[in-house]
Amino acid sequence: SQQGEEDPQALSIQEGENATMNCSYKTSINNLQWYRQNSGRGLVHLILIRSNEREKHSGRLRVTLDTSKKSSSLLITASRAADTASYFCARPLTQGAQKLVFGQGTRLTINP
Amino acid sequence: DTGVSQDPRHKITKRGQNVTFRCDPISEHNRLYWYRQTLGQGPEFLTYFQNEAQLEKSRLLSDRFSAERPKGSFSTLEIQRTEQGDSAMYLCASSPPGVQGSSYNEQFFGPGTRLTVL
Repeated sequence: SQQGEEDPQALSIQEGENATMNCSYKTSINNLQWYRQNSGRGLVHLILIRSNEREKHSGRLRVTLDTSKKSSSLLITASRAADTASYFCARPLTQGAQKLVFGQGTRLTINP
Repeated sequence: DTGVSQDPRHKITKRGQNVTFRCDPISEHNRLYWYRQTLGQGPEFLTYFQNEAQLEKSRLLSDRFSAERPKGSFSTLEIQRTEQGDSAMYLCASSPPGVQGSSYNEQFFGPGTRLTVL
C-alpha cells in the first residue's frame, strides 16, 4: 500500500493559472522528492528537497516542505498545456533507505 | 540517448506463460531499482540492486518473480506462470553512487514495460 497522500487526486485549470499540489506523509524523512509522469511513460525527477530545507525553486516549480506538519507542496506557476501529467511525491521508506515510497499522485490537466 | 532503457516496451502474454523484461541503467549508476505501477496508482517498490547484489526485496515480489543483475550492469526481471493480476507497468530506475550515509537518491526512470496478461 502507498504511504503518503497527494491532494487533490485530480486538478483541472486553465493555461496560465498556477497549480498547487500537496503531499502528506506519516513518518520522519530526510528528503522528499517530486516526480512527473506523462501518460503511459516513465517518471521524470523534478525536485529533491532535504529535511533541513523549507523551500526550493526550479524554473516555474516551487516546492515547500513543512516537517512539523509532515507535508509538502508543489507549485507550478504560469501553467502550460505541456504541464499536463501526473505528479507524485516520493520519500525514502526510512531514513537512509534506498526504497522510495510514492503517493497515488495528482492528475493535472491544463486546459488551453 | 544515455537514459535508462527498458525492453520490451509492451508485452502481451497468456496466463501461465513466463515473461522476462530487461533494463539497461545509466552506465555510471551502480544502483538499480524495479517498481510496479498499476493504473491510477503510484509506483510500488519491488527490488533494489547495488552493483550485482540484490539488497532488498518487497513482499510484493512473490516466488514467481525473480530479478538478476549478474554483472552489475543490466538487469532482468522474470515472472513465471503469469497471472492476470500481474498486468501492470514495470518500471526500472537507476541512481548513481551516493555519498556514504546519504540517502539523497534521485532516481532516473526508464519508460517502463507494460505487461498485459490475458
